[in-house]
Amino acid sequence: QSALTQPPSASGSPGQSVTISCTGTSSDVGAYNYVSWYQQHPGKAPKVMIFEVNKRPSGVPHRFSGSKSGNTASLTVSGLQAEDEADYYCSSYAGSNNVVFGGGTKLTVL
Amino acid sequence: EVQLVESGGGLVQPGRSLRLSCEASGFTFDDYGMHWVRQAPGKGLEWVSGISWNTNTIGQADSVKGRFTISRDNAKNSLYLQMNSLRTEDTALYYCVKDQGAWLAPINYFDSWGQGTLVTVSS
Repeated sequence: QSALTQPPSASGSPGQSVTISCTGTSSDVGAYNYVSWYQQHPGKAPKVMIFEVNKRPSGVPHRFSGSKSGNTASLTVSGLQAEDEADYYCSSYAGSNNVVFGGGTKLTVL
Repeated sequence: EVQLVESGGGLVQPGRSLRLSCEASGFTFDDYGMHWVRQAPGKGLEWVSGISWNTNTIGQADSVKGRFTISRDNAKNSLYLQMNSLRTEDTALYYCVKDQGAWLAPINYFDSWGQGTLVTVSS
């Protein structure tokens, strides 16, 4: 149950796009299409932004999108806005009733 | 509106026990799996344990196996985490989290989170 690998930080200017990667193994990210992404603002509980690799819950802006290739999943935020500045965590089902999270990426809007 | 309210956190010495509770409302509790996810101060999220709607399926992180036990009481709309043999590295904010589905096979995603209860393990 090793944590998924995310870059510690990412940044972009308002209006730009930024992509955050999430690398796992053939036992988690590569094995299942149950990758989700969570946004967490300081002092707040996490909120799901993407589930099943590329699906958005109702209410999440269309500028949030997800994808996966092999053992690496990605979250792309297009048209960056100030309110997108937050920590982002990926997670994946890892089989045997287990879930693993990534270490988190701090997104800064310059 | 889904509400998850955790309680039971506090300061505890290493080796001692603590029981966390989560009271759920705003949804049909026994239709969904539930989980505990923790976050150490200034650190990332770590899934701790999950339980299916009917308690038949339980999952646990290796870091807590043999020490923590998850349970639920559907009649009371409540989720619990019994934590024994606590270690300093268990210090974290513990979130009660609702699964989007009933079963843990697979665990898809977490659609609602409480505000957390802080557990501090220190002598």
